[in-house]
Amino acid sequence: GAGVSQSPRYKVAKRGQDVALRCDPISGHVSLFWYQQALGQGPEFLTYFQNEAQLDKSGLPSDRFFAERPEGSVSTLKIQRTQQEDSAVYLCASSSGVQETQYFGPGTRLLVL
Amino acid sequence: QKEVEQNSGPLSVPEGAIASLNCTYSDRVSQSFFWYRQYSGKSPELIMSIYSNGDKEDGRFTAQLNKASQYVSLLIRDSQPSDSATYLCAVNSEWGAQKLVFGQGTRLTINP
Repeated sequence: GAGVSQSPRYKVAKRGQDVALRCDPISGHVSLFWYQQALGQGPEFLTYFQNEAQLDKSGLPSDRFFAERPEGSVSTLKIQRTQQEDSAVYLCASSSGVQETQYFGPGTRLLVL
Repeated sequence: QKEVEQNSGPLSVPEGAIASLNCTYSDRVSQSFFWYRQYSGKSPELIMSIYSNGDKEDGRFTAQLNKASQYVSLLIRDSQPSDSATYLCAVNSEWGAQKLVFGQGTRLTINP
């Protein structure tokens, strides 16, 4: 079946601009994760949803970062007033339940100029 | 000290040889351990998962876990040029928690 999809695949933003990144998880997957991957580093956890509930947002780097999953399916990661240090690949992953394998989407590559 | 540590490499191995990738973790209560492969510009792809001490084999891949030493490794037998990628070690670091904690990855190159 279809895997995790993300859009846009690439985004160039001017510093100070707001951006919204979308994630469509695998159908039926209740768990959804956002990770940030800087160049040459492993992914770092940002936030986690179980259905529509945001159960862990401990990895969000500042209050400029906001994520939602209002209907328990599609999720949006929003970054307000983007800064150059926000430039990274934003990865979305989904899993079918607790302690299950996480499957990653292709990522959105964000470049803030 | 980082929670999950890997040698960043690059690790260069001749084709047909065994590639050995290592990872250590700091949280003693870690429960689940994963190896992901990431090709340049692509997303991580699960290679192996391991949950209990010992070895787990899947084709050319063997994962080894030693919880007492807080050590997990991945062996790739009969290495192929297509195995050239970055290998990420990931740990589910808290019982019941869902997030994965990743190492920085080891870049592996298989030389024909």
